[in-house]
This record gives sequence, C-alpha cells and structure tokens, in this order.
Amino acid sequence: KQEVTQIPAALSVPEGENLVLNCSFTDSAIYNLQWFRQDPGKGLTSLLLIQSSQREQTSGRLNASLDKSSGRSTLYIAASQPGDSATYLCAVSSSNAGNNRKLIWGLGTSLAVNP
Amino acid sequence: SAVISQKPSRDICQRGTSLTIQCQVDSQVTMMFWYRQQPGQSLTLIATANQGSEATYESGFVIDKFPISRPNLTFSTLTVSNMSPEDSSIYLCSVATGGGTQYFGPGTRLLVL
Repeated sequence: KQEVTQIPAALSVPEGENLVLNCSFTDSAIYNLQWFRQDPGKGLTSLLLIQSSQREQTSGRLNASLDKSSGRSTLYIAASQPGDSATYLCAVSSSNAGNNRKLIWGLGTSLAVNP
Repeated sequence: SAVISQKPSRDICQRGTSLTIQCQVDSQVTMMFWYRQQPGQSLTLIATANQGSEATYESGFVIDKFPISRPNLTFSTLTVSNMSPEDSSIYLCSVATGGGTQYFGPGTRLLVL
C-alpha cells in the first residue's frame, strides 16, 4: 500500500531564503508525482507534475526533483517571498492501479515566509 | 488546464439532512474525482466519477451515503446524505487532464451541527 510522507510538517523562514520541502513514498511504482499548494480557505493549485520517467521539473522559482528508486521528491523554492506562505502537498499516482489517476497524498508542509 | 467551480462554497447544515454539492468544469473531461479533507488531515478520495458509468467508491465510502451523479462531461454532483457532525469537512472535486495534471475546485466547506 502506497504511503506518502512529507517532512517537515511545518517550516518558518525569513523572506529571501532558499528552502527545500521533502516528500517520500513507499512504493516506487508510480505513474507521476505532483506538488500542489493550498492556501487557507481556498482550493488546491497544481504547481509541478513530474512523470515517472522524468527527474525534475521547473517553473519559475520552483524546482521539483524525483528519485523514483529511492522513493523521494524534493520541492526547491528559491528566494522565498511572503506570498509563498501556504501548505504544500505532495501526491503520487500509482502505475499499478487500474485507475492511474488516483492520487495518494501526504499530509503537507505548512510554510510561513516572514517579511 | 481546467477551471472548476463548486456550489455552494460553504454551508451549515443540521444533522440528518442532506446536501448536494455541484461541480462544473469549463471543458469536457472524462475523469472527475470527489475528495474529502477533514480538519487537520490531508485529502481522502471518496470516489471517481466517469461519465456514462457508475461511480467507483473507495474503501470506507458507500453510494447510499455519498451518491454521485455524472450526467455529462462537464458536470457532477456529490450528495452527502443523512449528515452527522463527523461529515463536517471540505469537499473538493477535481479533474484529470490527458497530461496527468489534476485541477481542483475551490472546495465546499461543510459544517454539520
């Protein structure tokens, strides 16, 4: 059974710092991995999608890496800003499931970037 | 990408009643999903709703409690039946595009008294 763990659970940093959020999963047979952000009182926003054959994806100040063999992904945020404050969620879809769109979720990392 | 809207955005309901949540997508999609996010928890998939077939429910969720309709490729409803305070949660619908990215609606915040 796939399990997704995110470390740390919470993080508070001063503005401008580069930071890394970690996601690990127990079953390496994944179809893809996605990073989302969730703002209080709002829905989820997809940040990056990494297919199982890829090693990383970049979007602006965000870079996500994937090491499928070790069951790990990291989300790197460069030059953090107060607007980056949110909960960041990692989710994987399993290639062994008939429905390869089904996502298994971590509990998230709550990030606070202080001005 | 896909833009998703949900109605209502929030509601306060009495126990024993039912609430139907609507999800509208701005494009035709095959797969739609309904999730629940209880306070302090991550997302839990309730069911997958494909147009033209019955919804597929995850373990712990049953059709009598969470009936789902999917009348066309842009719309779905989730009903939370015979509600209890334990059903207080955020309910989210999402869709998966061909590329694999999932897009989410803003959620429906439900409080059951």
